[in-house]
Amino acid sequence: GEKVEQHESTLSVREGDSAVINCTYTDTASSYFPWYKQEAGKSLHFVIDIRSNVDRKQSQRLTVLLDKKAKRFSLHITATQPEDSAIYFCAADTGGLSGKLTFGEGTQVTVIS
Amino acid sequence: DPKIIQKPKYLVAVTGSEKILICEQYLGHNAMYWYRQSAKKPLEFMFSYSYQKLMDNQTASSRFQPQSSKKNHLDLQITALKPDDSATYFCASSLRTGGKDTQYFGPGTRLLVL
Repeated sequence: GEKVEQHESTLSVREGDSAVINCTYTDTASSYFPWYKQEAGKSLHFVIDIRSNVDRKQSQRLTVLLDKKAKRFSLHITATQPEDSAIYFCAADTGGLSGKLTFGEGTQVTVIS
Repeated sequence: DPKIIQKPKYLVAVTGSEKILICEQYLGHNAMYWYRQSAKKPLEFMFSYSYQKLMDNQTASSRFQPQSSKKNHLDLQITALKPDDSATYFCASSLRTGGKDTQYFGPGTRLLVL
């Protein structure tokens, strides 16, 4: 089955700098890649996604890049703010009608003021 | 107003007992899911339902049984509880299962099995 590896388990950045989180996946049938943010003790909050028909998507300070050949996708956060501090999860679908998302293990992002 | 409601927020159970976790969504979605998050494993898909029909079951144990009484309800019955079942259980929903639609997560039910 699909495996999603999230390469950075922790990431510390200075306020105003950029943060990058990298994920790789194994299933070539995967075509949908969402990102979620989880603050301490809270649920998952959708932040941005990308589908395989594009290789880049931007929403305000967030950009997702997708490299299908390398089976790699990444989340770029620019001009980081303290409220960006959270755990970020990447995920990939499995194709088909299941709707199943396979998640990475999460990256704890800490923005230092 | 919360669009996905999960009850209860916290649950303490004894080994061997049975509990039902409740999920209701008011997003008008046709697909609902259960995921589990524990300290030992990353977020783990359990079930998906579309129009009240089971689409996928990735749980290895029949102790976990989803129940859908209405299109916007997907409860999770867990029988013969074990300490390893301790986790936060998240319900999610999306417009469809196969359409690569955004899944929105509920607040979760934190289950502790003693």
